[in-house]
Amino acid sequence: AQTVTQSQPEMSVQEAETVTLSCTYDTSESDYYLFWYKQPPSRQMILVIRQEAYKQQNATENRFSVNFQKAAKSFSLKISDSQLGDAAMYFCAYSRRGGATNKLIFGTGTLLAVQP
Amino acid sequence: DTGVSQDPRHKITKRGQNVTFRCDPISEHNRLYWYRQTLGQGPEFLTYFQNEAQLEKSRLLSDRFSAERPKGSFSTLEIQRTEQGDSAMYLCASSPPGGSYEQYFGPGTRLTVT
Repeated sequence: AQTVTQSQPEMSVQEAETVTLSCTYDTSESDYYLFWYKQPPSRQMILVIRQEAYKQQNATENRFSVNFQKAAKSFSLKISDSQLGDAAMYFCAYSRRGGATNKLIFGTGTLLAVQP
Repeated sequence: DTGVSQDPRHKITKRGQNVTFRCDPISEHNRLYWYRQTLGQGPEFLTYFQNEAQLEKSRLLSDRFSAERPKGSFSTLEIQRTEQGDSAMYLCASSPPGGSYEQYFGPGTRLTVT
């Protein structure tokens, strides 16, 4: 069975600084997707960034980028120039590509605080 | 398009009562998911619909839980004989047809069983 592990329950960063959130996963599949979702307090979950396992190039979305290490089964999220609005719970998630359901398997989350 | 909506946003019920939640996906999204999120945990998959067909149910979905998606539009999740352990946030997500793996989440229904 696939699992996703986030070993950092909480992280803190100063406004305008850079922070990296860690995620490891376990799967026997070779083709899959990895995601970072953001869940602000009392607000709905939104997708931050997505990585296809078959792509070697790391995904980037504005201030957000990932470091995808397929052999190590590691998928970290880097947030550059942190803003107060980045404060939220961040979840790493896995989805098997080509499966019947494409259901997401989530980690336990990392609560990010941004200090002004 | 206003996104995925869920109703009610909050529900407080007494143990043993039945509750029903509704999810309205983004129009034209044929795929619909239910997840459950307890405090301090990530969401856990409950069930999946493609159009009106329920194609997968998690082992988490005991026989007290039932979900439907008539006509492939909105979906309902019913919990019978609620227990305190059912207290959680119930999230709905939808996804468009084709190869997109992105799921769009609703705001969730927070259930408290007293």
